Amino acid sequence: DADVTQTPRNRITKTGKRIMLECSQTKGHDRMYWYRQDPGLGLRLIYYSFDVKDINKGEISDGYSVSRQAQAKFSLSLESAIPNQTALYFCATSDFRGHGYTFGSGTRLTVV
Amino acid sequence: SQQGEEDPQALSIQEGENATMNCSYKTSINNLQWYRQNSGRGLVHLILIRSNEREKHSGRLRVTLDTSKKSSSLLITASRAADTASYFCATDRSSGNTPLVFGKGTRLSVIA
Repeated sequence: DADVTQTPRNRITKTGKRIMLECSQTKGHDRMYWYRQDPGLGLRLIYYSFDVKDINKGEISDGYSVSRQAQAKFSLSLESAIPNQTALYFCATSDFRGHGYTFGSGTRLTVV
Repeated sequence: SQQGEEDPQALSIQEGENATMNCSYKTSINNLQWYRQNSGRGLVHLILIRSNEREKHSGRLRVTLDTSKKSSSLLITASRAADTASYFCATDRSSGNTPLVFGKGTRLSVIA
């Protein structure tokens, strides 16, 4: 099994729908992150969590929310999807030092 | 906002040649990390260099860091077709325990 598992791998959804992207990790790390990747823009941080009781907004949190259900699980929700949220979404985890993030394989989300 | 900026945006070389990618960043850092991404896949951590280090090696990878110029370079020696990927630098901020901020990446194509 992969260290960081993201589901679904691909998703097409309609404008206005609520959608949840899920992430689970087996690294035993406290820190988890959600990034978004758009062509030519690199990765941008949406939300991050340094432990189960800690949730922090990143650079582009508007339109998104997260839930840290357990040390191993960190979900990202789009409450009302819009087309400009079409992107590749990555979950990552790291130890307390933040050295060497481990990424999931990504969720390709298309909002039509 | 992007902390790191890679240069060039794209690089095409012949197999066996060396590939050099550069990264510039804006604020003081604790460490700088390089990641690799195969097309549409999750990022993979390559190497980390601390702010008090000037050079680091890992196999065919050589990373340098010049904190006075706020820049780093990644050298891949004797490149192979399998090195074809996008390469990203990522930095934290020395002001606190912060998530990594990624640059926009360099797309490397190694032609056999």
